[in-house]
Amino acid sequence: NAGVTQTPKFQVLKTGQSMTLQCAQDMNHEYMSWYRQDPGMGLRLIHYSVGAGITDQGEVPNGYNVSRSTTEDFPLRLLSAAPSQTSVYFCASSPDTTYEQYFGPGTRLTVT
Amino acid sequence: RKEVEQDPGPFNVPEGATVAFNCTYSNSASQSFFWYRQDCRKEPKLLMSVYSSGNEDGRFTAQLNRASQYISLLIRDSKLSDSATYLCVVNTGNQFYFGTGTSLTVIP
Repeated sequence: NAGVTQTPKFQVLKTGQSMTLQCAQDMNHEYMSWYRQDPGMGLRLIHYSVGAGITDQGEVPNGYNVSRSTTEDFPLRLLSAAPSQTSVYFCASSPDTTYEQYFGPGTRLTVT
Repeated sequence: RKEVEQDPGPFNVPEGATVAFNCTYSNSASQSFFWYRQDCRKEPKLLMSVYSSGNEDGRFTAQLNRASQYISLLIRDSKLSDSATYLCVVNTGNQFYFGTGTSLTVIP
């Protein structure tokens, strides 16, 4: 099993550009989530999904969209990048919320 | 009020020392509790789940106190390889909440 994979590993965007961060898991997990990690802030939940076709907002959803058309994939879209979105983004999955999450290796995003 | 509060440290301890981390959570309805380890510039990885009866895994012991709403992690006989940031994680409903992490450096 590859576990949770994320692409790209690094990305530089200009303000106003849009892009999609990819996340995929091959463990047939129902629950998937996106976090951003900033210095001194810990991981903060952006969006999550409890199964295909179902998504919901986390703590910091503004400026991001998600969709969950399959169990395996959970892409995160930045609609119009802003410098405040410079961060490290982690995708995670788990069988459900009572179990631990497995994290992808992260995407380091810089918005200039 | 933050969902999860954690002392950021840093903790600098000599090899062989015992060190304890605590974490408090605000929602009494929280259901699942975990400790994760994160190495510099890497993804968090599960260290151990935390159960009401307490649980041990080698040199690591985790405790949960639901009445006082805190979880703890005890590391005995610290090794250089234990140097990392330790994150407490609490699940409430469909969301996981992370503490800001406690930095541990084990000194030779």
